[in-house]
Amino acid sequence: GQQLNQSPQSMFIQEGEDVSMNCTSSSIFNTWLWYKQDPGEGPVLLIALYKAGELTSNGRLTAQFGITRKDSFLNISASIPSDVGIYFCAGLPSGAGSYQLTFGKGTKLSVIP
Amino acid sequence: DSGVTQTPKHLITATGQRVTLRCSPRSGDLSVYWYQQSLDQGLQFLIQYYNGEERAKGNILERFSAQQFPDLHSELNLSSLELGDSALYFCASSVGSSIISYEQYFGPGTRLTVT
Repeated sequence: GQQLNQSPQSMFIQEGEDVSMNCTSSSIFNTWLWYKQDPGEGPVLLIALYKAGELTSNGRLTAQFGITRKDSFLNISASIPSDVGIYFCAGLPSGAGSYQLTFGKGTKLSVIP
Repeated sequence: DSGVTQTPKHLITATGQRVTLRCSPRSGDLSVYWYQQSLDQGLQFLIQYYNGEERAKGNILERFSAQQFPDLHSELNLSSLELGDSALYFCASSVGSSIISYEQYFGPGTRLTVT
């Protein structure tokens, strides 16, 4: 099945810094979603992308649907301590009958005050 | 609050036992998905139901089964439990299986510990 490669696996940044993470695949995806998960909680949907090239913001978060449809990027500007958590990308593979999201393994973000 | 509820929050049981996890989707959502998340692992899709019918199966063991009831709540049944079944189990819901929206909203999860 399709796999998503999410990088980096983890990152430590200073409060106030900008953060970038990405998700790539060898196959084409129709939809990209970005989730954040706090420890012991369920993932929370941050941003949904539906068209190649689409750039969508949600507060300090900005995500882009890659032009090749094989990747997506999430940027967080001016990080704050509450940004700590695991960020997951999820994609809907292209193809008839594809209804299931494929999830990346997550990027664990730590913010140093 | 996503609007998806799951009970119980925590469950501790012994190997060989059977448990049932319950999920109520967001109001109006017809699709329910079950995921397993082991320690430091990503989300593994188990099974999807849409309006009472099984729609898709992922990496779900034969010892596990699920159903969705007419009121759209869903239950995940785990039997002959093994130590390796200890994990967080999440339920998610979405509007449906149409092409319009695949946004899934997750519940708070059930933490299962098998001893």
